[in-house]
Amino acid sequence: AQTVTQSQPEMSVQEAETVTLSCTYDTSENNYYLFWYKQPPSRQMILVIRQEAYKQQNATENRFSVNFQKAAKSFSLKISDSQLGDTAMYFCAFWGYGNKLVFGAGTILRVKS
Amino acid sequence: DTGVSQNPRHKITKRGQNVTFRCDPISEHNRLYWYRQTLGQGPEFLTYFQNEAQLEKSRLLSDRFSAERPKGSFSTLEIQRTEQGDSAMYLCASSARLAGSSYEQYFGPGTRLTVT
Repeated sequence: AQTVTQSQPEMSVQEAETVTLSCTYDTSENNYYLFWYKQPPSRQMILVIRQEAYKQQNATENRFSVNFQKAAKSFSLKISDSQLGDTAMYFCAFWGYGNKLVFGAGTILRVKS
Repeated sequence: DTGVSQNPRHKITKRGQNVTFRCDPISEHNRLYWYRQTLGQGPEFLTYFQNEAQLEKSRLLSDRFSAERPKGSFSTLEIQRTEQGDSAMYLCASSARLAGSSYEQYFGPGTRLTVT
């Protein structure tokens, strides 16, 4: 079974600074997808960025980018120019042959002014 | 279409009572998922439907839990004889069964259940 591990329960960053959230996963599959989801306080979960395992190029969405290391089974999220609205719980998630998302425990990110 | 909706948003019930939650997916999506999220944890998969067929159930889904999607549109999740351990956020998500997009799930706001 796949597992997703987020080893940072909480992170803080100053507004306009850069922060990196870590995620590792375990799988024997070769084709899969990885995601970062954002869950703001009392609001619904939204997709931030996704990465296809067969693509070597790291995904980028505006201020959000990933560092995907397939051999190391590592998938970190970098947020540049952090904004107060980035304050949220961030979940790393895996999608493979099981046709369902497997989530990590999450990292609470607090952006401070 | 404004996205995935869930009702009620909050439910407080006494132990032993039955509760039912509803999820309305995005209209053109034929896959529907239920997840459970306890405080400070990531969501855990419960079950999913493709159209009206329930294709997989997690071992987390005990005999007290039942889910339906009678016409392949909305879905209900019922918990019978609720226990305090059932207190959690119940999330619904939907996705389209198209090549290369079935993994892209859109989440509803969730139903927060508190069992007293």
